[in-house]
Amino acid sequence: AQSVSQHNHHVILSEAASLELGCNYSYGGTVNLFWYVQYPGQHLQLLLKYFSGDPLVKGIKGFEAEFIKSKFSFNLRKPSVQWSDTAEYFCAVNAYNAGNMLTFGGGTRLMVKP
Amino acid sequence: EAQVTQNPRYLITVTGKKLTVTCSQNMNHEYMSWYRQDPGLGLRQIYYSMNVEVTDKGDVPEGYKVSRKEKRNFPLILESPSPNQTSLYFCASSSAQVPQETQYFGPGTRLLVL
Repeated sequence: AQSVSQHNHHVILSEAASLELGCNYSYGGTVNLFWYVQYPGQHLQLLLKYFSGDPLVKGIKGFEAEFIKSKFSFNLRKPSVQWSDTAEYFCAVNAYNAGNMLTFGGGTRLMVKP
Repeated sequence: EAQVTQNPRYLITVTGKKLTVTCSQNMNHEYMSWYRQDPGLGLRQIYYSMNVEVTDKGDVPEGYKVSRKEKRNFPLILESPSPNQTSLYFCASSSAQVPQETQYFGPGTRLLVL
């Protein structure tokens, strides 16, 4: 079975700082990859997803993620964070032969100081 | 508006008192799923359903039941809740025709079992 690791549990940044959140998965086959965001008191929303093609994926609100197959990684980046990016971020993996099943990482809480 | 709804949003109950959390989607999705979210553990899948009358266990099914009598509804049943089921619960749905399709999440149900 696949598993997903997010090594940074809590990240604190100042506004305008650059962001990179790590995500590694363990599964040897083809995968679909997702980043979800959960703003305080709200439900999960999709930030971006990778299925195939260009490994650099651009999502909403200036976020992007790069799929590096050799490293089993799908790190999330943003060049300049804003206070409104304060949220919890979840990486998720769908193995190609697992139907609709998503496996989530433990989440990273990001706090952006104004 | 396409959405997943859950009721109730907040629930406090006592050990052993049966409860049901409802989930409904208006997108004609085949696939529906229940997750629980606990700090540091991310989202873990409880049960999922590929279509009407088709349900299967996820990663943490113990203590839970589900049913799928209609396509739009997927209630989560706790026959005899215990304090370790205190958690934040999310329902999600997606199209089973495209397994890698985005999952849409409900707003969450925060459950406290005393």
